[in-house]
Amino acid sequence: DQQVKQNSPSLSVQEGRISILNCDYTNSMFDYFLWYKKYPAEGPTFLISISSIKDKNEDGRFTVFLNKSAKHLSLHIVPSQPGDSAVYFCAASLKYRGTGGFKTIFGAGTRLFVKA
Amino acid sequence: KAGVTQTPRYLIKTRGQQVTLSCSPISGHRSVSWYQQTPGQGLQFLFEYFSETQRNKGNFPGRFSGRQFSNSRSEMNVSTLELGDSALYLCASSLVTGSGVNEQFFGPGTRLTVL
Repeated sequence: DQQVKQNSPSLSVQEGRISILNCDYTNSMFDYFLWYKKYPAEGPTFLISISSIKDKNEDGRFTVFLNKSAKHLSLHIVPSQPGDSAVYFCAASLKYRGTGGFKTIFGAGTRLFVKA
Repeated sequence: KAGVTQTPRYLIKTRGQQVTLSCSPISGHRSVSWYQQTPGQGLQFLFEYFSETQRNKGNFPGRFSGRQFSNSRSEMNVSTLELGDSALYLCASSLVTGSGVNEQFFGPGTRLTVL
């Protein structure tokens, strides 16, 4: 049961243009959504997050949009740079009310290629 | 601050063997989670430890186990290895930010190959 889906395994974009990475989820109980970036031979690094009560969060070149009715979020990178070439993971986080802690579910990732 | 460290970085084992992976979280982080990453599957949650107790668990067989020590360092053990256990195993320590976001900091992973 894949609760978080990234349907595009890869995306290729020209330097300076916009990159749009998409993510769909099925559980409306998620509290937060996060994006992580992963370079080869490194662990994922946190990029940006958005609360389930918001519809937009912006941090420099990165903006995440959340459409709760469609259970869809997207990450926009503007302008795209060659250094942005990496695998991007969408993740959804749910706080456990009983045991405490958080459950974070990751999508399969989208590999972004930014061409110079 | 030093980041999350994982040892070893690479490991080759044969079917039926067991393996222990180690993770040292960022100083001050008490929560450690383990994930399995395989191509096309993203990161699959294995379990989370907090203050030496397993707090949450994913849908993996009992061959996968872990523990956490009083200094927050964690180990993950896989017994009776199968070919399908070949994967990148990632450890993450986490910090809940002031806004309530559970931000996870990942180590570089241990690449396990089962022959």
